[in-house]
Amino acid sequence: GDSVTQMEGPVTLSEEAFLTINCTYTATGYPSLFWYVQYPGEGLQLLLKATKADDKGSNKGFEATYRKETTSFHLEKGSVQVSDSAVYFCALSHGSGNTGKLIFGQGTTLQVKP
Amino acid sequence: KAGVTQTPRYLIKTRGQQVTLSCSPISGHRSVSWYQQTPGQGLQFLFEYFSETQRNKGNFPGRFSGRQFSNSRSEMNVSTLELGDSALYLCASSLQGTTDTQYFGPGTRLTVL
Repeated sequence: GDSVTQMEGPVTLSEEAFLTINCTYTATGYPSLFWYVQYPGEGLQLLLKATKADDKGSNKGFEATYRKETTSFHLEKGSVQVSDSAVYFCALSHGSGNTGKLIFGQGTTLQVKP
Repeated sequence: KAGVTQTPRYLIKTRGQQVTLSCSPISGHRSVSWYQQTPGQGLQFLFEYFSETQRNKGNFPGRFSGRQFSNSRSEMNVSTLELGDSALYLCASSLQGTTDTQYFGPGTRLTVL
């Protein structure tokens, strides 16, 4: 079945460091791919998405490129801030016969220190 | 536009009781999905409703049920609560529920004692 694998956390970085959080997926066909962020005590917020191969999603300085050949959707940011500290979830959606269902990775905790 | 709202935000119940959680989707969204989030299992899909019909269901026991009303608001019910049902329950809405972006509510934190 479909699945998403994220790099283990926690990831601890200093402010202004470069961030990469790896995400790979297993799915038939062409799923849509998402990154969601969860701040402490809150629900999930959509960070960015990509719906087809080679699409690049971007938002708030974060970006990720849908790589069909490597089945990956790695999240990157050039310079992290303390306010980026949160849990990041990679997810896929496979609409055909599987409506309304997001499959999530296990989440990666990011801690940014001043 | 108002976001997805969930009530109540916190609940404390005892084993054997039942509980009902409510979700109001973003205006115009017809699909509502429910997820359970726990430290051990992560985020798991419970079910999805569209136009008052359950279209998709995850691997949860029959104690977990839901429904959707004509105004797209949704409720989920858990009967005969177990300690393992303690979790954050998240509701998400989207326009059509296929590969549309899902927008999440803040969740209901359920604690079963």
